[in-house]
Amino acid sequence: AQSVTQPDIHITVSEGASLELRCNYSYGATPYLFWYVQSPGQGLQLLLKYFSGDTLVQGIKGFEAEFKRSQSSFNLRKPSVHWSDAAEYFCAVVGPGGSEKLVFGKGTKLTVNP
Amino acid sequence: GAVVSQHPSRVICKSGTSVKIECRSLDFQATTMFWYRQFPKKSLMLMATSNEGSKATYEQGVEKDKFLINHASLTLSTLTVTSAHPEDSSFYICSAMEPGQETQYFGPGTRLLVL
Repeated sequence: AQSVTQPDIHITVSEGASLELRCNYSYGATPYLFWYVQSPGQGLQLLLKYFSGDTLVQGIKGFEAEFKRSQSSFNLRKPSVHWSDAAEYFCAVVGPGGSEKLVFGKGTKLTVNP
Repeated sequence: GAVVSQHPSRVICKSGTSVKIECRSLDFQATTMFWYRQFPKKSLMLMATSNEGSKATYEQGVEKDKFLINHASLTLSTLTVTSAHPEDSSFYICSAMEPGQETQYFGPGTRLLVL
């Protein structure tokens, strides 16, 4: 069965510092990959997604993610973090074609220090 | 684009009553909608998949008679928690998927508190 691992439960960075959130997946084929962000008490907002093609994808709010097939990874990055980026980040995968259910990682909570 | 709304955003009810939560896709038609439940500091748990015009598909362990799902139109799905009990208190989130887009867009969630 497919699974998603986000190794870091909680990350703290200073405002202006760079950020990388890790995501590894286990799936027989290359799945469709997503990063979502959730602010406290809110729903999930799509940051970016990868289906195929260029392995470096750009998203909203200055985020990008790189798909590395050899490492089964889809890490999220941002060069300079803003205080408003403090939130919970979820990596998710679905089988190619999107017909199966979305499988989420357990999330990484980001704290931003002033 | 791809905006999903939920109503109400929060609801408090007495034990034994029923609560209806609406999920609407505002700017696209969604043949498939999903209902999730999220416990504090936890990831999302899929409860059911709802396809317009057909019966919902429930995940294992989810009581279909307790969590009634109706997807009567391409822009509206409803989740009714019947005979709610305190253990049903949770954060319920819906998502909607446009045909052929293979991407789920999430609503803002509904906080349910059963007293």
